[in-house]
Amino acid sequence: GAGVSQSPSNKVTEKGKDVELRCDPISGHTALYWYRQSLGQGLEFLIYFQGNSAPDKSGLPSDRFSAERTGGSVSTLTIQRTQQEDSAVYLCASRLHSGANVLTFGAGSRLTVL
Amino acid sequence: DQQVKQNSPSLSVQEGRISILNCDYTNSMFDYFLWYKKYPAEGPTFLISISSIKDKNEDGRFTVFLNKSAKHLSLHIVPSQPGDSAVYFCAASGVGGGSQGNLIFGKGTKLSVKP
Repeated sequence: GAGVSQSPSNKVTEKGKDVELRCDPISGHTALYWYRQSLGQGLEFLIYFQGNSAPDKSGLPSDRFSAERTGGSVSTLTIQRTQQEDSAVYLCASRLHSGANVLTFGAGSRLTVL
Repeated sequence: DQQVKQNSPSLSVQEGRISILNCDYTNSMFDYFLWYKKYPAEGPTFLISISSIKDKNEDGRFTVFLNKSAKHLSLHIVPSQPGDSAVYFCAASGVGGGSQGNLIFGKGTKLSVKP
């Protein structure tokens, strides 16, 4: 697609429920990132996919968080047993290849855990 | 420990004047720096970048200055316009995008340009 698409744009869930957030990167971009922005904070790195390599999961805050990228394109970020501190805007970004420094971001998915 | 710091959470300037946004970093291995602009309910958009081999990069009204010895960079916007009102994020990466391939972001500075 022309840009990075994320869905849903807004998600309200109850504590303890699981949520899935979807990211459709720019066509042809081999690298895909997930970041999150909590209230008053900067962008916190979560996970990084590059081509067929094993993902860099070093930013995931707990084992309740997981992500996959099927077919080298669409990615899903899953948060199990959501907690109130998971409330944030989850941003997906892609870039053309590992040597390119500029990330292109989607509009984000705002998650609110009640 | 924050590797990229934006110590001013907000900045207000008059239209037509210069806006100066500052950013400090601690990791001497960073060699590429970027500024992103973010409007409410939108994702961050790339604004301007600079490689560590340079000390200045200019694009229209936007200029980024890099002082490697001080581990400091700044974004100058002149003249400032009301449409520049947004949150500005400073970001840094190492060679090839860093050991993790990701950008390290500051917490952002909210710029308000008054008409």
